[in-house]
Amino acid sequence: EIVLTQSPGTLSLSPGDSATLSCRASQSVSRNYLAWYQRKPGQAPRLLIHTASTGAPGIPDRFSGSVSGTDFTLTISRLEPEDFAVYFCLQYATSPLTFGGGTKVEIK
Amino acid sequence: EVQLVESGGGLVQPGGSLRLSCAASGSTINKYWMNWVRQAPGKGLEWVANIKQDGSEEYYLDSVKGRFTISRDNAKNSLYLQMRSLRAEDSAVYYCVAGYGWLIDYWGQGALVTVSS
Repeated sequence: EIVLTQSPGTLSLSPGDSATLSCRASQSVSRNYLAWYQRKPGQAPRLLIHTASTGAPGIPDRFSGSVSGTDFTLTISRLEPEDFAVYFCLQYATSPLTFGGGTKVEIK
Repeated sequence: EVQLVESGGGLVQPGGSLRLSCAASGSTINKYWMNWVRQAPGKGLEWVANIKQDGSEEYYLDSVKGRFTISRDNAKNSLYLQMRSLRAEDSAVYYCVAGYGWLIDYWGQGALVTVSS
C-alpha cells in the first residue's frame, strides 16, 4: 500500500499569499497518477489537478502541481478568499487507492 | 457531468448487514469506474472498493474483502455496496464516487453508516 503523507497539517495565510502544500508518497507512484482535491464543508470534493501536474477543466491557473520523485506539490499562487479550504491528495495508480490526510489552508 | 445520490445508510448492530445504493443522474454510469470511499468520524478518507464499467473487475480494501460486495446495474444507472458482518470500525460516511479510469472525478454527498449495539 502506498502511504501518502501531507504536510503541513494547517497553513495560516492571508489572501494574496502563495501556498505550498506537500504530499509525499512512501513509494513510487506509477505514471505520476497523483491527484489533488479541494474540499469545503458541506460540498463534494473538487478535482483540481491530476497526473501530478495537469489542471482539471475549469480550474484557475493559480493552482499548479509538480512532482520530484515521490514528492508531490500543490502550489496556489495569489490566494483568493474562496481558496481557504482543505486540500487532499489521492494516488490512483495502485490498488488500494490511498488518500493523504489533508492540509487545511486557513485565513491568518 | 454525473450527479450521485447515496441511500440506505443507518444504524445496524455489529455482525449485521446493510446495503447502500447510489443513484446517478445527468449522465450514464456505464462510462465510469465506480467506487465507494468512506470517512470515519475524525478520520481521513479511505477507499473501499471499485468496479469496472462493465462489472468485469472489482477491487477491495483488504479489511473489507469477503464482507463487502460492490455491484452495479448500468440499466438502472445505479451502484450498490452490500455490507455483511459489520464491525464498529466500519462506521463512517460512505461516498459513491465515479471517474474515468481510477481517477475520481465525481462525488456524492454521502450516507452515514453507524455500527453499534
